[in-house]
Amino acid sequence: DIQMTQSPSFLSASVGDRVTINCKASQNINKYLDWYQQKLGEAPKLLIYNTNSLHTGIPSRFSGSGSGTDFTLTISSLQPEDVATYFCLQHNSGWTFGGGTKLELK
Amino acid sequence: EVQLVESGGGLVQPGRSLKLSCAASGFTFSNYYMAWVRQAPKKGLEWVATISTSGSRTYYPDSVKGRFTISRDNAKSSLYLQMNSLKSEDTATYYCARDDGYEGWFAYWGQGTLVTVSS
Repeated sequence: DIQMTQSPSFLSASVGDRVTINCKASQNINKYLDWYQQKLGEAPKLLIYNTNSLHTGIPSRFSGSGSGTDFTLTISSLQPEDVATYFCLQHNSGWTFGGGTKLELK
Repeated sequence: EVQLVESGGGLVQPGRSLKLSCAASGFTFSNYYMAWVRQAPKKGLEWVATISTSGSRTYYPDSVKGRFTISRDNAKSSLYLQMNSLKSEDTATYYCARDDGYEGWFAYWGQGTLVTVSS
C-alpha cells in the first residue's frame, strides 16, 4: 500500500504570505496527486488534481507542483478565507490521503 | 449544479448493519465512477469504496473489505453503502463523492452523514 506523508502538520502564516505544503509518497505515484481544502464543519473541496490542474472556480493563487514521490501545494498570497485544513490524495494505486495540514492565521 | 445528498446515518450497536444512501443530481450519474470517503471525529480522511459506472467493478481498502459493499442504481441516480459487522472504529462522517477521473480525483462531495457505532 502507498503511504502519504504530509508536512507540516500545523502552519501559522500572515495574510499575504506565500505558503507551501508538502506531500511525500512512499513510492512513485506519477502525476496522480490531488489537493483538498476542508474548512471547519464543512465537506472537503477539491483544489487541484493530477499535480497541477486547477479545479473549476478555484482562485489562481493556489497552485501545485511535483512528480514521482514529492509534491507541493502553494498559496501565493494567503487570504483570510484560506484558513482550513489541507489534504493530499494519491490515486495512482487505490486512494490514500495524507494526514492533513492545519493552516492558521498568525 | 452538482448535488450529492447523503442519508441513513445514525447510532448503531457494534456488530449490527447500516445502509447509507447518496442521492445525486445536476449531472448524468451513470457517466461517473462514485466513491465513499469517511472521516472519524477530529481525524483525517479515509477512502472507503469506489464503484465503476456500471457497477461491475468495485474497490475497497483492507479496513472494510468483506464488511462493506458499495452499489449504485443508475435509474435512480443513487449510490449506496451497505455496512455490516460494524465496529467502534467505523464511527465517522461518511461522504459521498464523484470521481471525475475514472479511478481519479474526487471533484464533488456531499455534506456527509454521521455514523456512530456504540453500545
